[in-house]
Amino acid sequence: NAGVTQTPKFRVLKTGQSMTLLCAQDMNHEYMYWYRQDPGMGLRLIHYSVGEGTTAKGEVPDGYNVSRLKKQNFLLGLESAAPSQTSVYFCASSYSGGDYGYTFGSGTRLTVV
Amino acid sequence: RKEVEQDPGPFNVPEGATVAFNCTYSNSASQSFFWYRQDCRKEPKLLMSVYSSGNEDGRFTAQLNRASQYISLLIRDSKLSDSATYLCAIGSSYKLIFGSGTRLLVRP
Repeated sequence: NAGVTQTPKFRVLKTGQSMTLLCAQDMNHEYMYWYRQDPGMGLRLIHYSVGEGTTAKGEVPDGYNVSRLKKQNFLLGLESAAPSQTSVYFCASSYSGGDYGYTFGSGTRLTVV
Repeated sequence: RKEVEQDPGPFNVPEGATVAFNCTYSNSASQSFFWYRQDCRKEPKLLMSVYSSGNEDGRFTAQLNRASQYISLLIRDSKLSDSATYLCAIGSSYKLIFGSGTRLLVRP
């Protein structure tokens, strides 16, 4: 039972490069989320989705785009990476929008130089 | 003011001690409440949900005070393996808002 899988686990980008982070869940969850975690800042919501084909902005959406073309996948894109986007990115999914908590992926450590 | 606030700690306690964390939230319409545990360089994992009637799981007790808008986590008989960061999470409108976490260090 894989749960929530994030790829890649590590990545180093140069400023201005683009990349896509992939989140896949096999629990048939409707809700999916992207958070970033920085030292002393806790987890901050970037974007989220309440179902296939839907996306919504979270607390810190600038510089990121997302897509949810299939229910099991939630993609996070960085069009032009900046050093301020150096962070650990966590994807999460939920059956009921958080009423019973989330299941998290193991994270992606991104460094932008 | 942050929506969800926690004392960052660290709380440095000896094995066997009882330790308590609080987490305050600002949205009175919040509907769900949780404590997560996060080990270094790992993803957060759900520790327990928090209900108005309180919730106990072994050495861990969580409580909710809606009037004062805070939740608490009590850990009794601390073990070395309890050393971690404890995140509170407050839910409303289909998403969770996390506190920045409280670090717990349990020493021998």
